[in-house]
Amino acid sequence: SQELEQSPQSLIVQEGKNLTINCTSSKTLYGLYWYKQKYGEGLIFLMMLQKGGEEKSHEKITAKLDEKKQQSSLHITASQPSHAGIYLCGAVTNAGKSTFGDGTTLTVKP
Amino acid sequence: EAGVVQSPRYKIIEKKQPVAFWCNPISGHNTLYWYLQNLGQGPELLIRYENEEAVDDSQLPKDRFSAERLKGVDSTLKIQPAELGDSAVYLCASSPSGLAGRGEQFFGPGTRLTVL
Repeated sequence: SQELEQSPQSLIVQEGKNLTINCTSSKTLYGLYWYKQKYGEGLIFLMMLQKGGEEKSHEKITAKLDEKKQQSSLHITASQPSHAGIYLCGAVTNAGKSTFGDGTTLTVKP
Repeated sequence: EAGVVQSPRYKIIEKKQPVAFWCNPISGHNTLYWYLQNLGQGPELLIRYENEEAVDDSQLPKDRFSAERLKGVDSTLKIQPAELGDSAVYLCASSPSGLAGRGEQFFGPGTRLTVL
């Protein structure tokens, strides 16, 4: 999707390390959500952010929304092999459409 | 609670053949989505239903793709005839109605289509 740009495209970290994934929108955000996908499976909802400055956590995963920058970051603390997968950000545009970024593939080395 | 069910999980067909995918959403979810996902990319919305009404089908290639959700519950997506470029994963998702509900979608495992 060109409306949502994710960076980096892929990431390899050592187990126990922290990491951050970014998602930047080219359009005004009316809510941004994060999903995780494992190869060959559907997406699993992680969390949704609706207000500027909002921050939510799910286990060791924290996401923040910077409304002014039209950007969200997903931070994983003390990564584990179970965190490996593809992280996708999604949003609902002002036209009411659901759109997704192309994902960040995370590999966690034991 | 059962999740979103899709079948088949895998389908291999020759080009120009028809193919159909089936989706049963989570009970009580009025909104149903069909997405197409190419390798290395995020899902792209094909069609969104609110109950039995297709409220957003602007991305559906209507010359060969069709979808229906006759009773507002399960849905079928059809391609006829299939082309090589249709090889992808077709994902179905459902959510409660409304804009807020659209943020948290529940996805099925997808149907991986290979067109030879």
